[in-house]
Amino acid sequence: DIQMTQAPSSVSASVGDRVTITCRASQDISNWLAWYQQKPGKAPKLLIHAASTLESGVPSRFSGSGSGTDFTLTISSLQPEDFATYYCQQANSFPLSFGGGTKVEI
Amino acid sequence: QVQLQESGPRLVKPSETLSFICSVSGYSISSGYHWGWIRQPPGKGLEWIGSIYHTGTTYYNPSLQSQITISVDTSKNQFSLKLSFVTAADTAVYYCVRLKYSGYRYYFDYWGQGSLVTVSS
Repeated sequence: DIQMTQAPSSVSASVGDRVTITCRASQDISNWLAWYQQKPGKAPKLLIHAASTLESGVPSRFSGSGSGTDFTLTISSLQPEDFATYYCQQANSFPLSFGGGTKVEI
Repeated sequence: QVQLQESGPRLVKPSETLSFICSVSGYSISSGYHWGWIRQPPGKGLEWIGSIYHTGTTYYNPSLQSQITISVDTSKNQFSLKLSFVTAADTAVYYCVRLKYSGYRYYFDYWGQGSLVTVSS
């Protein structure tokens, strides 16, 4: 099974900050990675798939990069609605698996 | 607009079977896509449980395979999850999801609102 590790587990930031979250896979997953945003009490929302492809309607301040084992989610200028927990998910092979999450807070 | 809605119990006793149904609207399950279940223990991360195609082909998380059964009822546009011999560790919010197929890989593009089930005597 592929293990996904996110860092940091939480980050304190302010509106307008650039925020970077990393995700590492226990083995090469090419670019088969997604990022999700989850707000309290809500279901996760798919932001990015295939490491860097933005979903329709997702603001361009979100971007993803990486391949192989190391990936990054960047929020270029943090907005109030971006305070949430972010998860990565590997899509390379079953069982599909998630990272432990990164909470972006004030 | 695709919508998914979970229905099931809020409380289940240890060793019993937990059963959930996901009702899908805005899309016919028999038209395609994989459909599945994900759970999230309170305050913790996400765990993929398993998925099913409209033909009945299933993929289960090996860590739960002995406990789970996922089935589909295309006539009702629903799919279901049964988790047997539950323990307190199965207390979680259970989400039903649609799997987006892109580049021969699967991502979760539509989610139900989630339903919390507590395992307790």
